[in-house]
Amino acid sequence: DVKVTQSSRYLVKRTGEKVFLECVQDMDHENMFWYRQDPGLGLRLIYFSYDVKMKEKGDIPEGYSVSREKKERFSLILESASTNQTSMYLCASRDSWRSGYTFGSGTRLTVV
Amino acid sequence: AQTVTQSQPEMSVQEAETVTLSCTYDTSESDYYLFWYKQPPSRQMILVIRQEAYKQQNATENRFSVNFQKAAKSFSLKISDSQLGDAAMYFCAFNAGGTSYGKLTFGQGTILTVHP
Repeated sequence: DVKVTQSSRYLVKRTGEKVFLECVQDMDHENMFWYRQDPGLGLRLIYFSYDVKMKEKGDIPEGYSVSREKKERFSLILESASTNQTSMYLCASRDSWRSGYTFGSGTRLTVV
Repeated sequence: AQTVTQSQPEMSVQEAETVTLSCTYDTSESDYYLFWYKQPPSRQMILVIRQEAYKQQNATENRFSVNFQKAAKSFSLKISDSQLGDAAMYFCAFNAGGTSYGKLTFGQGTILTVHP
C-alpha cells in the first residue's frame, strides 16, 4: 500500500525553537507539498517541491523553510517557532496534476 | 488566483438519507480538475471523487456523486444513503493545469454530522 509518512503525530515545542517536520513518500512522486490546516481556513499551502532540491513558495511561506535533498523526503522547517504556528501540518505528494494527492496523517504541532 | 468557497461550515443528515455539500470556485482556466476529500476524525485525508472540467458527465463513486455546473463554477457533492462512517470534514479542492505544478487550492471545509 502506497504511503506518505509523517514522522510525528503530535509535537509540543517551545517558542523560539527550531522545528523539523519530516515527510517521506514511497511512490516515487516528483511533487510534494506542505499545508497547514486551521479551523475555518481550510488547508493553506506553505511550500511545495516539484523535484529534488527544487522548492517554491506557497501562499503562506513566512516563518518556514523546506528541504528536499532526496526525492522521497520533504522536510518543513520552522526557523524559530512562534505560538501562531500552532496548527495541523499536512504533507502530500502526487505524480501529476491530473491525479489527486496522497496525504500523510498529519502532525499536530503546539508551540508553547 | 483561484479561489474555492464552501459556504456551509456544518451540515447534518439522518442515517440513510441524502445530503448535498456545496462548493463554488473561481478561475479563468479552461482545463482543470476538481476534487472532494474526506477527513475523518483519524485525520487521514481520503480522496472521495474527482471531476475533469472537460468531461460533461458527472463523476460517480458508489454512494458519492457530484453535480458539476461548469458555467456556474459549481461543484457540489451528493452523498446518498448516508452512513455513520460518512461523518467527517469534507474539503472541495481545485487544480488548474499549466505551470501550477499540481498545487491544489482547498475550500474552508464542511463538517458533516450523521445522526443515527
